[in-house]
Amino acid sequence: NAGVMQNPRHLVRRRGQEARLRCSPMKGHSHVYWYRQLPEEGLKFMVYLQKENIIDESGMPKERFSAEFPKEGPSILRIQQVVRGDSAAYFCASFGGTAAEAFFGQGTRLTVV
Amino acid sequence: GENVEQHPSTLSVQEGDSAVIKCTYSDSASNYFPWYKQELGKGPQLIIDIRSNVGEKKDQRIAVTLNKTAKHFSLHITETQPEDSAVYFCAARGGKLIFGQGTELSVKP
Repeated sequence: NAGVMQNPRHLVRRRGQEARLRCSPMKGHSHVYWYRQLPEEGLKFMVYLQKENIIDESGMPKERFSAEFPKEGPSILRIQQVVRGDSAAYFCASFGGTAAEAFFGQGTRLTVV
Repeated sequence: GENVEQHPSTLSVQEGDSAVIKCTYSDSASNYFPWYKQELGKGPQLIIDIRSNVGEKKDQRIAVTLNKTAKHFSLHITETQPEDSAVYFCAARGGKLIFGQGTELSVKP
């Protein structure tokens, strides 16, 4: 039973390019959280998604960032026109329901040059 | 908004000693409190959790306590080992899962 899969593990983008981060949840999980982590800092909540629905996006920057979790396929976190301040590790966690444990992937480390 | 405070930010203990990490939360709707261990370059790993209808839970050398009235919860690690060295995060969930700032635990042989 595979865990939460994130890809790519490392992503380098030039300023102004787009970054697409993918998260495949554990089998049977229909809920996903996305977090951003700066070096030696905590996990900052970005967005909570259920299949085809955004439940809570209060942690998402209003511009350039978007997230989706389609009926089929992985959840995607999209960052348009990246800037150096977007450089961070991005983690997703999946869980099966509102009372269930959340399990994290290994993260995508985004570097903007 | 929802907030989780975690202390201390760093903790150094001798192998075999106990380690205690404390958290407080602000959202009264929180009903689930997990703890995660994060090693360098890896994703957070769930180590133990507690739900709001339980005051204490133990799993081998790890125990968690919850005081809902005071909105406090704590992680206790007994007989610490060097491999326990990592960053530990508490979290609280009402709807979204909110994390504390983390505690860097160092266990010296």
